[in-house]
Amino acid sequence: EVQLLESGGGLAQPGGSLRLSCAASGFTFSRYAMSWVRQAPGQGLEWVSSIGGSDGSTYYTDSVKGRFTVSRDNSKSTLYLQMTGLRAEDMAVYYCAKGPIATHPYYFESWGQGTLVTVSS
Amino acid sequence: EIVLTQSPATLSLSPGDTAILSCRASQSVQIYLMWYQQKPGQAPRLLIHDASNRASGIPARFSGSGSGTDFTLTISSLEPDDFAVYYCQQRYQWPPLTFGGGTKVEI
Repeated sequence: EVQLLESGGGLAQPGGSLRLSCAASGFTFSRYAMSWVRQAPGQGLEWVSSIGGSDGSTYYTDSVKGRFTVSRDNSKSTLYLQMTGLRAEDMAVYYCAKGPIATHPYYFESWGQGTLVTVSS
Repeated sequence: EIVLTQSPATLSLSPGDTAILSCRASQSVQIYLMWYQQKPGQAPRLLIHDASNRASGIPARFSGSGSGTDFTLTISSLEPDDFAVYYCQQRYQWPPLTFGGGTKVEI
């Protein structure tokens, strides 16, 4: 059974940083692209970033380029999202999600339970 | 960026009814359109990928159709557990991968 467990959310000040982690189990982590999708309070879903399984190609939505960095450690089956320069509009529940294939995220087959990021002074 | 518009925003139905949800793309996405279900306080769940393919474990009462710019998610014989918010998502042209604004199916 695929399991994705996010951690690292919490309160950050505007301009601050947080590092999210997603521990994966139940599948061969390196064989799948992984993604972060967020949901602001009471709002819809927004794709944030993805990373390829084997070559580690990275992709970002424009609003986080230059501020967020996605990475993965295949030896630990863990996905990361380093967030810097946080803004009020980054406040959301951040979900880790598994893609269907190694090279591209395409869509989100399995999701974690999410971790809440709050940005406030 | 491809914009997905879902309608209606809210659908009020009763158990046993058939729900028909629409997703319209700002340009053709061919068949590369997905549907997700999200219940309050839970993560989304993939229902349909590539317009009409049910994800693993999804009941047959969920069906997807369409191509190009117009897509439909049909939920036959609604069960109490089906009342939720439904999102569409495209993968034809990315980044970014984009979602629609959602349709809430309520009792």
